Amino acid sequence: KAGVTQTPRYLIKTRGQQVTLSCSPISGHRSVSWYQQTPGQGLQFLFEYFSETQRNKGNFPGRFSGRQFSNSRSEMNVSTLELGDSALYLCASSLGQGYNSPLHFGNGTRLTVT
Amino acid sequence: AQTVTQSQPEMSVQEAETVTLSCTYDTSESDYYLFWYKQPPSRQMILVIRQEAYKQQNATENRFSVNFQKAAKSFSLKISDSQLGDAAMYFCAYGVITGTASKLTFGTGTRLQVTL
Repeated sequence: KAGVTQTPRYLIKTRGQQVTLSCSPISGHRSVSWYQQTPGQGLQFLFEYFSETQRNKGNFPGRFSGRQFSNSRSEMNVSTLELGDSALYLCASSLGQGYNSPLHFGNGTRLTVT
Repeated sequence: AQTVTQSQPEMSVQEAETVTLSCTYDTSESDYYLFWYKQPPSRQMILVIRQEAYKQQNATENRFSVNFQKAAKSFSLKISDSQLGDAAMYFCAYGVITGTASKLTFGTGTRLQVTL
């Protein structure tokens, strides 16, 4: 079974631009979560989607948004990029039944904002 | 708000020896889950072990076991017979049960080095 796939693996953007990251969950998984990992703040929860609905949201500004498609694939968008948005963005998928179905993470997208 | 604290930024262990990584957390919830994740240089977070708070028995997965002290809000990970492949960042994580929603709060991580 293929794992969680995140594309692209690396991105370099300029301040003020916007970026879209993609995540394909494990086949059959209906829940997708996003996390931001930085050296200073560590791993922080961004949001979770289940059946195309946002089910939970972390404490991030409105510049961070996401969506989930009917095939459970998810995208995350960051608008008006700031230097502080440079981070590893991790996507995780699960069957979506709370913690009875553990999270499976992808390899992440490394975003660098210059 | 829930917090997770890992007080050991770095640990080192010799191959075949045993090492314990510490984790404490703060919560007012009674039902929750605790996890240890491993992040090797490949960046992928890998679930090592999971503990349900309502279970008194400590979870074990092969060479990995936990010491869960609910009253003390402590959740340490013991790695026995350490192997070179165990070298990685280890994150302790807490998850509260709210229906089927999942949201993990992570600690800052402990970098484990395994030496020959």
